[in-house]
Amino acid sequence: DQQVKQNSPSLSVQEGRISILNCDYTNSMFDYFLWYKKYPAEGPTFLISISSIKDKNEDGRFTVFLNKSAKHLSLHIVPSQPGDSAVYFCAAVQGGSEKLVFGKGTKLTVNP
Amino acid sequence: DVKVTQSSRYLVKRTGEKVFLECVQDMDHENMFWYRQDPGLGLRLIYFSYDVKMKEKGDIPEGYSVSREKKERFSLILESASTNQTSMYLCASEKFGNSPLHFGNGTRLTVT
Repeated sequence: DQQVKQNSPSLSVQEGRISILNCDYTNSMFDYFLWYKKYPAEGPTFLISISSIKDKNEDGRFTVFLNKSAKHLSLHIVPSQPGDSAVYFCAAVQGGSEKLVFGKGTKLTVNP
Repeated sequence: DVKVTQSSRYLVKRTGEKVFLECVQDMDHENMFWYRQDPGLGLRLIYFSYDVKMKEKGDIPEGYSVSREKKERFSLILESASTNQTSMYLCASEKFGNSPLHFGNGTRLTVT
């Protein structure tokens, strides 16, 4: 059973516009959520995270929103840049566990 | 800056061979992980270790074993490689639970 779902395998946006990547989860015990970005031939790199006690966290062009009642989080990138083109993974972890659970990823393409 | 180094970027092995994938981190991190990444399946946890000589099974441990004799080094072992173990293998480390994972650049293993 997939506990973290990224239902869009791919997303294409125009440079300068907003990119919105979505993630749903089923385990209500998850209390910490992270986004990773992965370029081809490189390992994933940490992008931004949010604790379940917050509903928004912002870091420059990147904002993560958490809706606990809907078990949904989203990553907003504004403005999108061609260098943002990568695969984005959503991940979640339950307090006290070492095991991060990843979604399948969304491939973002930002067109110049 | 944390560095996680995987000894090989590309490996080609034959079915039935014993394969060792090595990973070293230089930041005195407690926890280390092995994931595999496959198209359409995202990142799946194979094994992790939270201390020297300690290991825990992840979600897909079958056909794999691990070794952590020193804090900085975490090895993944394929006892008898099979074609369905052809994949991208990613090593990661973290200081403690709920801190962001730092990934290596991956080892692309092909088993023929």
